[in-house]
Amino acid sequence: AQSVTQLDSQVPVFEEAPVELRCNYSSSVSVYLFWYVQYPNQGLQLLLKYLSGSTLVKGINGFEAEFNKSQTSFHLRKPSVHISDTAEYFCAVSLYGGSQGNLIFGKGTKLSVKP
Amino acid sequence: DAGVIQSPRHEVTEMGQEVTLRCKPISGHNSLFWYRQTMMRGLELLIYFNNNVPIDDSGMPEDRFSAKMPNASFSTLKIQPSEPRDSAVYFCASSRAGGLETQYFGPGTRLLVL
Repeated sequence: AQSVTQLDSQVPVFEEAPVELRCNYSSSVSVYLFWYVQYPNQGLQLLLKYLSGSTLVKGINGFEAEFNKSQTSFHLRKPSVHISDTAEYFCAVSLYGGSQGNLIFGKGTKLSVKP
Repeated sequence: DAGVIQSPRHEVTEMGQEVTLRCKPISGHNSLFWYRQTMMRGLELLIYFNNNVPIDDSGMPEDRFSAKMPNASFSTLKIQPSEPRDSAVYFCASSRAGGLETQYFGPGTRLLVL
């Protein structure tokens, strides 16, 4: 069975500091990988996704993620965070060639950016 | 371009009552998803439709839950009878063609069952 593990439930960081949100997945087949962000009292929106090609994926708001197949990881990074990045971030996987639409989400990481 | 629309935004009801949540997907999207978000279990896919047909309902918790999509612009998620453990935020999302395309989420319905 596929699963997604977000290693940190909460990440506090100061403004303008770099941040890395960790995500590991387990799957016996190839996967597509996603990061979504949820701002308070809102629905989720896509930050970035990896389908194929370059393992370094750039998304919106200055975020990027790197797919590492050997380590089954897809960590999200930003070199300098802003107060407005305070939100919950979800990593998700979708099976390659499997049941399209079945996104499996991690439990989320709450990023708190302090001034 | 209007996003995914959900109604109501908040619902408070008593145990045993019927609850109906509504969703209007983005025009032109042919896949629709219902999710439930709780502190304990995180975000769970309940059911998804492709071209108005239910494709995977394995996430529906039990027979008390049912979902319909009578046409491409409307879907409902019904809970009958409701129980306190159904309290959660329910999200609807839509996309052009399943899991490879970006899913666009609605603002959610916050359900509290007393």
